[in-house]
Amino acid sequence: DARVTQTPRHKVTEMGQEVTMRCQPILGHNTVFWYRQTMMQGLELLAYFRNRAPLDDSGMPKDRFSAEMPDATLATLKIQPSEPRDSAVYFCASGRAGVGSYEQYFGPGTRLTVT
Amino acid sequence: RKEVEQDPGPFNVPEGATVAFNCTYSNSASQSFFWYRQDCRKEPKLLMSVYSSGNEDGRFTAQLNRASQYISLLIRDSKLSDSATYLCVVSITDDKLIFGTGTRLQVFP
Repeated sequence: DARVTQTPRHKVTEMGQEVTMRCQPILGHNTVFWYRQTMMQGLELLAYFRNRAPLDDSGMPKDRFSAEMPDATLATLKIQPSEPRDSAVYFCASGRAGVGSYEQYFGPGTRLTVT
Repeated sequence: RKEVEQDPGPFNVPEGATVAFNCTYSNSASQSFFWYRQDCRKEPKLLMSVYSSGNEDGRFTAQLNRASQYISLLIRDSKLSDSATYLCVVSITDDKLIFGTGTRLQVFP
């Protein structure tokens, strides 16, 4: 049963610290998405990749957030420096573009608390 | 105005009841439509796609009205296990999804 995996599942850190979240998409999926979910804003798309190339990161605060896909099995989202307003659940999702399916498979999320 | 709008609820209904959620979207160029389900403290999962002609999957029926730009989800014979948040989702391009903030459903015995 193929799944998207994310690490860490929980992270508590102090303001100003660097946070790195990792995602392993489902093997064979060519699109990877990073979302942030808060009670107030719901699910917001931060960035997404197709075939490892970044396609859209307009939802991401550029000064402190960065997203990369160093290889097909790993996507990373980094926050440096972190701020209390970054506290949220960060989801990674993967899918297969170009085959008529829009379904995205979500990982379990990283619950980030910045104090 | 948000691109996808939903009533946040909660909708509190007894087991066996029929409940309907609506959702409106602002971009007339939207091409594809979905309902995702998210259980408390879990990740969203696809519940069903929404087709122009309407479609049914067991107790769930989805409808699309392109002229009025709204989507609906009907749940018949509600079960306790249906308690969750239901996310309305639209797609403008072929892989970018836009999520509503969700409608919370609580089914009670």
